[in-house]
Amino acid sequence: AQSVAQPEDQVNVAEGNPLTVKCTYSVSGNPYLFWYVQYPNRGLQFLLKYITGDNLVKGSYGFEAEFNKSQTSFHLKKPSALVSDSALYFCAVRENAGGTSYGKLTFGQGTILTVHP
Amino acid sequence: DAGVIQSPRHEVTEMGQEVTLRCKPISGHNSLFWYRQTMMRGLELLIYFNNNVPIDDSGMPEDRFSAKMPNASFSTLKIQPSEPRDSAVYFCASSTTGGDTEAFFGQGTRLTVV
Repeated sequence: AQSVAQPEDQVNVAEGNPLTVKCTYSVSGNPYLFWYVQYPNRGLQFLLKYITGDNLVKGSYGFEAEFNKSQTSFHLKKPSALVSDSALYFCAVRENAGGTSYGKLTFGQGTILTVHP
Repeated sequence: DAGVIQSPRHEVTEMGQEVTLRCKPISGHNSLFWYRQTMMRGLELLIYFNNNVPIDDSGMPEDRFSAKMPNASFSTLKIQPSEPRDSAVYFCASSTTGGDTEAFFGQGTRLTVV
């Protein structure tokens, strides 16, 4: 069964500093990996995805993520954090074609990012 | 496109009552997901459909929960009878079938069972 782990419930950074939100995954095949952000009382918004190709993918609002197959990780990063980045972030995995779990989109528990002025 | 549309946005009901949540996916999307979000359990996948067919309902908590997708543009999640522990935000999401495409989420239905 596929799974996603976000080891940090909360991440706190100062505005202007780089940020990292960690994610590791487990799938039996090749993964499709996603990051989403959720603001209070809102639905989840897509940030970026890794499908294939370059391990470093860039997404919305200056976010990027690095796929590391050997460490089964897909950490979210941003070079310079903004106060407005404060939100709940979710990592998700969708297993590649094959097997009964194809298409199932599984989320981690979420990480609360707080950026201090 | 208006995005994924869920109704109602808020629902307050008494324990024992039937609750029906509704979802209209994005036109052309043939995968549909129902999630439940709570503080304690995070974001749980309840069920997902491909081409209107339920593929995996292993996340449905118990027989009180049921979901249908009678056509490509409409899905329902029903709880009967409802219990206070069902209080949560329920999200519907849709995507194309290809696993490499992102899912788009609705605004959610906040359910409170008193």
